[in-house]
Amino acid sequence: EVKLVESGGGLVQPGGSLRLSCAASGFIFDSYRMTWVRQAPGKGLEWVANINQGGGERYYADSVKGRFTISRDNSKNSIYLQMNSLRVEDTAVYYCARGPMAVLDYWGQGILVTVSS
Amino acid sequence: QSVLTQPPSASGTPGQRVTISCSGSSSNIGSNYVYWYQQLPGKAPTLLMSRNTQRPSGVPDRFSGSKSGTSASLAISGLRSEDEASYYCAAWDDSLRAAVFGGGTQLTVL
Repeated sequence: EVKLVESGGGLVQPGGSLRLSCAASGFIFDSYRMTWVRQAPGKGLEWVANINQGGGERYYADSVKGRFTISRDNSKNSIYLQMNSLRVEDTAVYYCARGPMAVLDYWGQGILVTVSS
Repeated sequence: QSVLTQPPSASGTPGQRVTISCSGSSSNIGSNYVYWYQQLPGKAPTLLMSRNTQRPSGVPDRFSGSKSGTSASLAISGLRSEDEASYYCAAWDDSLRAAVFGGGTQLTVL
């Protein structure tokens, strides 16, 4: 069974940093691209970032480029999202998902990140 | 303002057929596959339609997808109460070099 479990969310002040983790199981992790998607409260989905199987190719939404960094550790079957210079508008549920770009066939349950003073 | 445009809401009665549209441009829908996601209340999204018209395993054949030019549609026939959810279209955008989602359509089964 494919499982994706996010962790590391919480409350952070504007300008602060947070690192999200996503632990994967139930599939051959290093064979898949992985993606982060977020959803602000009461709003729609927003694609955030994607990383290829080896970690050397990364894509970002313009809204997070230069502030967020996606990475992975294939030895730990995990991906990460390092979020710096956080803004109030980054408040959202962050989902980890398996797949390239727009093809996301499995999703985690999501983790809430709240940016507020 | 989302790159892909969807109607914010749609509705139908049980048994009816409902269609949800998704409009984009030549850099996204016009040159790449479209994917559809269903998000039930309080749940994570799930992949509902792949590569414009392909249903993943487990998705009922009441759901169908189509694409023409820079627009795509999701049709739901034989509407059921459990179809009440938000539906999102998505595609890769060659100009943005990022994936983009539509703003979502909230489907109400009356």
